[in-house]
Amino acid sequence: ELKVEQNPLFLSMQEGKNYTIYCNYSTTSDRLYWYRQDPGKSLESLFVLLSNGAVKQEGRLMASLDTKARLSTLHITAAVHDLSATYFCAGPLNYGGSQGNLIFGKGTKLSVKP
Amino acid sequence: GAGVSQSPSNKVTEKGKDVELRCDPISGHTALYWYRQSLGQGLEFLIYFQGNSAPDKSGLPSDRFSAERTGGSVSTLTIQRTQQEDSAVYLCASGKVGNNEQFFGPGTRLTVL
Repeated sequence: ELKVEQNPLFLSMQEGKNYTIYCNYSTTSDRLYWYRQDPGKSLESLFVLLSNGAVKQEGRLMASLDTKARLSTLHITAAVHDLSATYFCAGPLNYGGSQGNLIFGKGTKLSVKP
Repeated sequence: GAGVSQSPSNKVTEKGKDVELRCDPISGHTALYWYRQSLGQGLEFLIYFQGNSAPDKSGLPSDRFSAERTGGSVSTLTIQRTQQEDSAVYLCASGKVGNNEQFFGPGTRLTVL
């Protein structure tokens, strides 16, 4: 059964700094998803990574996928306060599936301080 | 366009009562998922509907939980004889078959007293 582990679980950053959140998963998967959740809000889809070597960028966030290492990273560049949120990675339960439920990591709570 | 909607946004109930939670998926999305988010357990999958196929109920924690999806659109999650451990935020998501990107609704916060 797929297990998804994120680290760190808590991250306090200063504005302007860079950092990386790591997402390891336990079994072969060809895709990986990143979500953002603000306090009291629902999950917002950030990135869908569909193949080995996939890299996607949106503003100060960049996500990548290495299926051989079973690792995805979410890199934050020059953090700003608006990025404060909890970030989840998730993998599909079924390898190669175009549908089906996702298994989520525990989330990384990011706090960006001035 | 309209996103996934859920109702009610908050529900407070007494232990032993039944509750119904509703989800309206994005129009045209054939897949519909229910997840539960609680402090101790993170995000847990509950049930998944795809088109007219039999639902995947493998995540339902007990037989007090059931869900249906009428006409391939609206879904209702029912919890019978609620217990305090059922307190959580219940999230609905919908998606298209393809890259399995799932779009989440705002959730229903259930509190069982």
